[in-house]
Amino acid sequence: GEDVEQSLFLSVREGDSSVINCTYTDSSSTYLYWYKQEPGAGLQLLTYIFSNMDMKQDQRLTVLLNKKDKHLSLRIADTQTGDSAIYFCAEHPASGGSYIPTFGRGTSLIVHP
Amino acid sequence: NAGVTQTPKFRILKIGQSMTLQCTQDMNHNYMYWYRQDPGMGLKLIYYSVGAGITDKGEVPNGYNVSRSTTEDFPLRLELAAPSQTSVYFCASRPGVGNTEAFFGQGTRLTVV
Repeated sequence: GEDVEQSLFLSVREGDSSVINCTYTDSSSTYLYWYKQEPGAGLQLLTYIFSNMDMKQDQRLTVLLNKKDKHLSLRIADTQTGDSAIYFCAEHPASGGSYIPTFGRGTSLIVHP
Repeated sequence: NAGVTQTPKFRILKIGQSMTLQCTQDMNHNYMYWYRQDPGMGLKLIYYSVGAGITDKGEVPNGYNVSRSTTEDFPLRLELAAPSQTSVYFCASRPGVGNTEAFFGQGTRLTVV
């Protein structure tokens, strides 16, 4: 079955880089997503990567995928206080019979001055 | 487009009362989901639907019911509310399988006393 694991907390200083890690278990072709949840709000898509890619960069965000270890990371460069939020890793099946995205528990990122 | 709209935003229920959480999307998405979010526990899937007239149980369906009479609406019914149902509830939708992000509503914060 599918399972997505991520650490629960990360604390960084403003201006430093943040790295949030995630592992997944589904071995089929899949899309892997990072969502951001700000306090009192729903989840919003940050970025995604397909399982045949190694890296994707989008402004301050870099996603790295290690397919062999099924390890995904999200790096936020020059972290700002506005980046404080919960970040969810998610796996969406690319095809086949599963219609259900699988979400990790979420990593709470705290950015302090 | 309004996206995914949930009502109400907040509700306090007494034990044993019933209520319906409303969810509407105007994006013509086939797939819709109900999640509950408890602190540190991530998102747990309650029910999902792959199209009008089709619903299926998720990970934690007990105490809840859903219906999907139209593509747009996916209400979640709580019968005989219990304190264990105190949570934040999120509705989400996706167009279909493949590279399709999930769009989330703003959430309903429910307290059962």
